[in-house]
Amino acid sequence: EAGVAQSPRYKIIEKRQSVAFWCNPISGHATLYWYQQILGQGPKLLIQFQNNGVVDDSQLPKDRFSAERLKGVDSTLKIQPAKLEDSAVYLCASSFQGGRETQYFGPGTRLLVL
Amino acid sequence: GENVEQHPSTLSVQEGDSAVIKCTYSDSASNYFPWYKQELGKRPQLIIDIRSNVGEKKDQRIAVTLNKTAKHFSLHITETQPEDSAVYFCAPRSGGDQKVTFGTGTKLQVIP
Repeated sequence: EAGVAQSPRYKIIEKRQSVAFWCNPISGHATLYWYQQILGQGPKLLIQFQNNGVVDDSQLPKDRFSAERLKGVDSTLKIQPAKLEDSAVYLCASSFQGGRETQYFGPGTRLLVL
Repeated sequence: GENVEQHPSTLSVQEGDSAVIKCTYSDSASNYFPWYKQELGKRPQLIIDIRSNVGEKKDQRIAVTLNKTAKHFSLHITETQPEDSAVYFCAPRSGGDQKVTFGTGTKLQVIP
């Protein structure tokens, strides 16, 4: 079974530029999560999708971050414009359903904002 | 949102000794209690989890215990090995909205 795929793996941009990350969850997983993990901290949930609907986006900085999950499968996370403090690893995870099921994480995208 | 704390933040043990990490949470309706292991530069991976209707679960050298009354659960690793060195996160899930909150992490170092 293929795991959660993410791209790109690394990205370096200058502040005020835009960036987009892509995630393809495990086939059949209805729930998809985007996390931000700053160095030395635990993952912080940015947004949770159930199929193509948003379940929780309370910690998503909506003035600059946006996310969508078209057709309830792939998802993209966008930052526009980026700030220095956005430098982090962005992790995508998926689970079979949003209840108590195990989350499987992708390899992450490491973002550096200069 | 849920308030989640882990203790200790760092832990060093000799190879073969036991390690215990504690996670406290605030939402009494939380019903799912997983532990994730994250090695340096890698993604978090589930190592053990427990549901709210169970007090203890064991998987070889790893165990998790849950005290719902006191709102904490603990990770126990026995006979530690160097490959257990990593950062461990608890991530309780609240019962109402199923929101996940990761703890601050515990860096475990197993000294050979």
